[in-house]
Amino acid sequence: GEDVEQSLFLSVREGDSSVINCTYTDSSSTYLYWYKQEPGAGLQLLTYIFSNMDMKQDQRLTVLLNKKDKHLSLRIADTQTGDSAIYFCAVAGGFKTIFGAGTRLFVKA
Amino acid sequence: GAVVSQHPSRVICKSGTSVKIECRSLDFQATTMFWYRQFPKQSLMLMATSNEGSKATYEQGVEKDKFLINHASLTLSTLTVTSAHPEDSSFYICSARGLAGGTEQYFGPGTRLTVT
Repeated sequence: GEDVEQSLFLSVREGDSSVINCTYTDSSSTYLYWYKQEPGAGLQLLTYIFSNMDMKQDQRLTVLLNKKDKHLSLRIADTQTGDSAIYFCAVAGGFKTIFGAGTRLFVKA
Repeated sequence: GAVVSQHPSRVICKSGTSVKIECRSLDFQATTMFWYRQFPKQSLMLMATSNEGSKATYEQGVEKDKFLINHASLTLSTLTVTSAHPEDSSFYICSARGLAGGTEQYFGPGTRLTVT
């Protein structure tokens, strides 16, 4: 079946850029999402990209999509302590949305 | 816009009792609502998909008689955990997809269920 993989942890210093990577298997994925989850809370949609795009920028967030390699990344510029959370990659290729296991981002002051 | 609420946010119940969790789309109509379960430090596991006015579609391994889902209107879906057991303790999250037919899903804040 479809699979979405992410590394489990990422640690960065405040002010540095964070890059969270995701790979997926379903080549028919049309929408690719990044969600943020803070402790004890639900998921917040951060940004998304259509499969016919290579890049999308939204303020401090940059999403890069390499469709050939089925690789998606989220770059957070000038990472702040408030960015500490779990980031989920999700891909939708039809009716279902498949989530990765989430990357826990630690931001050191 | 696109706000989804859940109630309650936390619930503690005794083993053998039933618990109902509500999911509401506050400012849009949701043709489809999804119920997820999340174990500590793990990703979301899709339990079921419900379309307004029809029976929910359950994922493999999810007991439909234990997790009753009702999607009676375009703004409300409920999940009832029947005869709850400690192993049902988890974080339950709903999400909703709007009428426009887009694939964006908006998530509720989640409900933490603890069964003692």
